[in-house]
Amino acid sequence: TQLLEQSPQFLSIQEGENLTVYCNSSSVFSSLQWYRQEPGEGPVLLVTVVTGGEVKKLKRLTFQFGDARKDSSLHITAAQPGDTGLYLCAGARETSGSRLTFGEGTQLTVNP
Amino acid sequence: SQTIHQWPATLVQPVGSPLSLECTVEGTSNPNLYWYRQAAGRGLQLLFYSVGIGQISSEVPQNLSASRPQDRQFILSSKKLLLSDSGFYLCAWSQTIGYGYTFGSGTRLTVV
Repeated sequence: TQLLEQSPQFLSIQEGENLTVYCNSSSVFSSLQWYRQEPGEGPVLLVTVVTGGEVKKLKRLTFQFGDARKDSSLHITAAQPGDTGLYLCAGARETSGSRLTFGEGTQLTVNP
Repeated sequence: SQTIHQWPATLVQPVGSPLSLECTVEGTSNPNLYWYRQAAGRGLQLLFYSVGIGQISSEVPQNLSASRPQDRQFILSSKKLLLSDSGFYLCAWSQTIGYGYTFGSGTRLTVV
């Protein structure tokens, strides 16, 4: 059983469209992070959220941590081809030390 | 600033041959170190993590082993590779519990 469920698994949209990626779990996390990964490279950290209900914005990207700290969403406004990549959510639980649990990822393709 | 180096970038090895992948971190001390494996375009599976020299924890039983001979050096090894060991291997470090990982650029291992 996957601890963190990401949806959708694949998303192909046109440039300028908006999109939302979801990361859900039945477990509570002390923090949750979002990464973006390009082919042949390691994931790069986008944001960390730690407080239930927290919202963070990074240019056209908006990240939200659920009130109960069990889920998170990533919303991209006016997507651009440069947003193409694999988006991964990862959660840290207090019982797991510094180890993160990763979701299976959402592969986003933004077509020009 | 902190940097992480991982090599080699690609590797093709025959079944039954040994493996040694190296990862080093610069610019920090006593980092938490991790080895992950990633299937094509999917999530990350934690293989090993280390919180200090000589301290290795394994997350899943496998044909691989890890060692940390120095504070900022983490090595992934195998005595005899299997076809199923093929994949994309990522090294990462973190300083603070539950907060962002910094990943290396990965090693693409193909066992033939």
